[in-house]
Amino acid sequence: EVQLVESGGGLVQPGRSLRLSCAASGFTFDDSAMHWVRQAPGKGLEWVSGISYNSGTIGYADSVKGRFTISRDNAKNSLYLQMNSLRAEDTAFYYCAKVEAREYNFGSDYWGQGTLVTVSS
Amino acid sequence: QSVLTQPPSASGTPGQRVTISCSGSSSNIGSNFVYWYQQLPGTAPKLLMYRSNQRPSGVPDRFSGSKSGTSASLAISGLRSEDEADYYCAAWDDSLSGWVFGGGTKLTVL
Repeated sequence: EVQLVESGGGLVQPGRSLRLSCAASGFTFDDSAMHWVRQAPGKGLEWVSGISYNSGTIGYADSVKGRFTISRDNAKNSLYLQMNSLRAEDTAFYYCAKVEAREYNFGSDYWGQGTLVTVSS
Repeated sequence: QSVLTQPPSASGTPGQRVTISCSGSSSNIGSNFVYWYQQLPGTAPKLLMYRSNQRPSGVPDRFSGSKSGTSASLAISGLRSEDEADYYCAAWDDSLSGWVFGGGTKLTVL
């Protein structure tokens, strides 16, 4: 059974940093690209970032480019999102999602339960 | 304003057939696969349709997807109360080099 468990969310002040983690199990992690997708409370889905199976290709939404960094550790079956210079508009549930292929220009087939990031003073 | 356009709401009675549309452009739906996700209240999104018209195992055949030109649609036949949820379409956008989502359609089963 595919399992994706996010952690690292919480309350953070504007301008500060936070690092999200996603622990993956139940599939061959190093054979799948991964996404981070977020959803502000009561709003729709927004793609944040994607990374290919071997970290060879990486992409970001314009709204987070230059502030967020995606990475993965295939030896640890883990995905990360380093979020710097956080803003109030980054407040959202952040979902880790497995991609149905090796490259992140394909869609997600499994999602974690999400972790809430609240940016507020 | 979402890059992909969905109606904000849809409704139907049990047993009816409902269709949810998703309109895009040549850089997204027109040249790439469409994915559909179902999000039940308080839960994470779940894959409903991949590569425009492929149903994952476990998804009932009451759900079907199609794509034509720069638009796609999700059809739900034999509507059931448990289908009440938010539905999102998504596609890769070649111009943006990123994923774009529709704004979501809230389906109500009357």
